[in-house]
Amino acid sequence: NAGVTQTPKFQVLKTGQSMTLQCAQDMNHNSMYWYRQDPGMGLRLIYYSASEGTTDKGEVPNGYNVSRLNKREFSLRLESAAPSQTSVYFCASSGQGANTGELFFGEGSRLTVL
Amino acid sequence: SQQGEEDPQALSIQEGENATMNCSYKTSINNLQWYRQNSGRGLVHLILIRSNEREKHSGRLRVTLDTSKKSSSLLITASRAADTASYFCATSGGSNYKLTFGKGTLLTVNP
Repeated sequence: NAGVTQTPKFQVLKTGQSMTLQCAQDMNHNSMYWYRQDPGMGLRLIYYSASEGTTDKGEVPNGYNVSRLNKREFSLRLESAAPSQTSVYFCASSGQGANTGELFFGEGSRLTVL
Repeated sequence: SQQGEEDPQALSIQEGENATMNCSYKTSINNLQWYRQNSGRGLVHLILIRSNEREKHSGRLRVTLDTSKKSSSLLITASRAADTASYFCATSGGSNYKLTFGKGTLLTVNP
C-alpha cells in the first residue's frame, strides 16, 4: 500500500519553463490537496479538490493550475516558473474532508527555479 | 493567512524529559490536528481533537484544547531521540476542505 505518491522528487527549472507535478493516491480518498512549504512559512494551501471533478483555490494559487484527472490523481502545473516558486511541494489526500479526518501526505517534491 | 501559531519555535530537551508545545489560533474551529515531520519527509498525522473535546491521549501523546482561549497543547512524555522532528498544529473550520497549518515547532531530543 503506497499511500500518496508524488513525482518527481527533485526538479530544477529555469525561469519561464513549465512543468507538472504528479500525485496519485491509492486509498480511494475523495479529497486531494497541494501545499507548498517554505522556510519559516509553514505549509500553505495552493489548490484542493474536494471530490473528483471539482477544484478550488487555496491560499496561494497564483502561478499554478491543477487538474483532478480522476479519483486517484491530482496534478499541479507551473506554466511559467519563477524563482519565487522554489519550494517543497506536498500532495495530500483525505477520505472525509479536512473537517473530519486526517490528511495523508506524500514525501514531497523539491523544486528549484533558477 | 496562517491560522495556528506554534510556540516555541524551537525546543531542545534531553531524552526522557517531557516536551510541551503550544498552538494558538484566531477563529472558531471544528477540529485541531497535530502532525509530525521528520527532516526531509512528509507530514504524518498524530492526533485529532474536536472542538467539543478538551483532552485526548494517544500513547505518549496528550493533547488539550481550550476553545475559550483558542489554544491547544501537545505533550510528549518520556521523549526519545526518535521524537526529534518538527511538529505542526492544523485547524479546520468553516469550509470542510481547508486545513490551515502553523509554522511548526522544531523539537530536538538529545540522547
